[in-house]
Amino acid sequence: DAKTTQPPSMDCAEGRAANLPCNHSTISGNEYVYWYRQIHSQGPQYIIHGLKNNETNEMASLIITEDRKSSTLILPHATLRDTAVYYCIVRPEWFDAGNNRKLIWGLGTSLAVNP
Amino acid sequence: NAGVMQNPRHLVRRRGQEARLRCSPMKGHSHVYWYRQLPEEGLKFMVYLQKENIIDESGMPKERFSAEFPKEGPSILRIQQVVRGDSAAYFCASSPRPMDGHYGYTFGSGTRLTVV
Repeated sequence: DAKTTQPPSMDCAEGRAANLPCNHSTISGNEYVYWYRQIHSQGPQYIIHGLKNNETNEMASLIITEDRKSSTLILPHATLRDTAVYYCIVRPEWFDAGNNRKLIWGLGTSLAVNP
Repeated sequence: NAGVMQNPRHLVRRRGQEARLRCSPMKGHSHVYWYRQLPEEGLKFMVYLQKENIIDESGMPKERFSAEFPKEGPSILRIQQVVRGDSAAYFCASSPRPMDGHYGYTFGSGTRLTVV
């Protein structure tokens, strides 16, 4: 089972910020929070990841609470092309021979950006 | 620099036929992962391969499914005697080393298998 819970769907107006929440209350100390998205009929695309500090890149910002039990992905100015399913995943950053290499995917949040 | 290439994009097979799905990883990537996505579900891990080696096949059904990643050529996911329940999107991902921590996987666009 996925170690994260996300709302099944969200709406956002074009040009506004989209804030996608994720709960991961059982996250371990060595696990990072990763976000991917899947645009319809395409393969998943990496967005961003973080451990405990907030992170920002050209696509999005990631805000992780101090207790690390939840996080929020922020798309600062959503466009129609951001309409996709967004997946929040927790995993160790590196795997060795003994670690579980599988990414456990939940159902994600289906974000609809409306004109 | 081409991304992960999967072909065919769409594949239709009759029940009992064989399906062969191909994945060419990104240049310089020697680690390949296959995932399956059933309709309205999240991705499920199937198998992780390095060149000429299967590292982890714990997500592969025990029968009818096999995977390979030869020294030369693409990785192949083979499904024998397909059944309707095999209808799904099959995604391949690659990384330059085991589960590249910084950027995660790079996924292909998938092969959509329909069994009729």
